[in-house]
Amino acid sequence: DAKTTQPNSMESNEEEPVHLPCNHSTISGTDYIHWYRQLPSQGPEYVIHGLTSNVNNRMASLAIAEDRKSSTLILHRATLRDAAVYYCIQFNAGGTSYGKLTFGQGTILTVHP
Amino acid sequence: DGGITQSPKYLFRKEGQNVTLSCEQNLNHDAMYWYRQDPGQGLRLIYYSQIVNDFQKGDIAEGYSVSREKKESFPLTVTSAQKNPTAFYLCASTSGEGGEAFFGQGTRLTVV
Repeated sequence: DAKTTQPNSMESNEEEPVHLPCNHSTISGTDYIHWYRQLPSQGPEYVIHGLTSNVNNRMASLAIAEDRKSSTLILHRATLRDAAVYYCIQFNAGGTSYGKLTFGQGTILTVHP
Repeated sequence: DGGITQSPKYLFRKEGQNVTLSCEQNLNHDAMYWYRQDPGQGLRLIYYSQIVNDFQKGDIAEGYSVSREKKESFPLTVTSAQKNPTAFYLCASTSGEGGEAFFGQGTRLTVV
């Protein structure tokens, strides 16, 4: 099964950049890397995803290692609203588990004013 | 507006009763998913479906059943065989091809 490894928690100060790491050593060539975040008692919110190249959007940047076995979600200037649980996921886009979207435990991000 | 809707938001049932949670999407997505989340834990996959009339077990399917008779709908039944049904249940959908997943706001089921 597709498993990712993330630190349990991280802390940041407001307006500073945050780098959230993720290891996905079992990733296959057709697996996408997705990031979501979740506030208490809400459904997860999509942040960003990529396959091989680095990706940018209005929320964040995703840096993918050349061997694709790790990635980093970058929040360029953390705000208090960015405090959430962040999940890194391998999205199986091929093979016997096609379409399987499996979450790990995530990283609890605390942002200090 | 397009989206994914779960109902009801809160649900109470007596032990031993089956209960069905609703999930509807108007995003024209092919794939739909059901997750369970316990306090302080991550999401665990119960069932997922890539197309109508087909679905696969996730990591914790025991005690649950699903159907996918329509593209827009993926109801989850929590049966009396599920030993600890009290949890937060989340439904999601994707267009496939590795794209973004959209989540509902969840149903909090309490069995007493």
